[in-house]
Amino acid sequence: QITLKDSGPTLVKPTQTLTLTCAFSGFSLTTPGEGVGWFRQAPGKAPEWLALIYWDDDNRYSPSLKNRLTVSKDNSKNRVILRMTNVDPLDTATYYCAHAGNSYDHWGQGALVTVSS
Amino acid sequence: DIVMTQSPDSLAVSLGERATINCKSSHSILYRSNNHDYLAWYQQKPGHPPKLLIYWASTRESGVPDRFSGSGSGTDFTLTISSLQAEDVAVYYCQQYYSSPHNFGQGTRLEI
Repeated sequence: QITLKDSGPTLVKPTQTLTLTCAFSGFSLTTPGEGVGWFRQAPGKAPEWLALIYWDDDNRYSPSLKNRLTVSKDNSKNRVILRMTNVDPLDTATYYCAHAGNSYDHWGQGALVTVSS
Repeated sequence: DIVMTQSPDSLAVSLGERATINCKSSHSILYRSNNHDYLAWYQQKPGHPPKLLIYWASTRESGVPDRFSGSGSGTDFTLTISSLQAEDVAVYYCQQYYSSPHNFGQGTRLEI
């Protein structure tokens, strides 16, 4: 079955780069049609779509965050990495990765990231 | 960007009664080549990630009870819970995955 585990630092200082990892099993990002998306959710808010990487390295980004985000994959380790540069306290949220199948059908448990000095 | 707007923001329904949540997209999310609406519904409980309930606007995800149903096409969609159970208390979101960014609605809080 498909599982995803998102992980990253719990605390990041303003202006630093945040690196999040999504380790997955049950599918391969070398298989045509497969993808992994990234989301975040601030407390009490709706989820916000951040980025999506497909099996063929077709990457999509949120227009409002495009200049700060990079998504990449490591097929040998079944991992997807999301990097966000120049973080701000407004980037404090729970970050999720999810399998892009029938919409987003399997999600990680979430990684809470706080941006504070 | 396609903007998703849900109504109402919150809803109180008695146990066993019907709950209806609406979602409107700013552009059509019907892909004519395959006749699919790229609309999903999620349920989220505190401390948990969103759980996929419905995709293609009306197809139930495996394991989702049949009291949950989705309808609509183009720009107007509805999630219906036919007979509310206590475990259905949650926040519900619609999301379009027709074009990036794959935006969500603002959410509807469902209470008893």
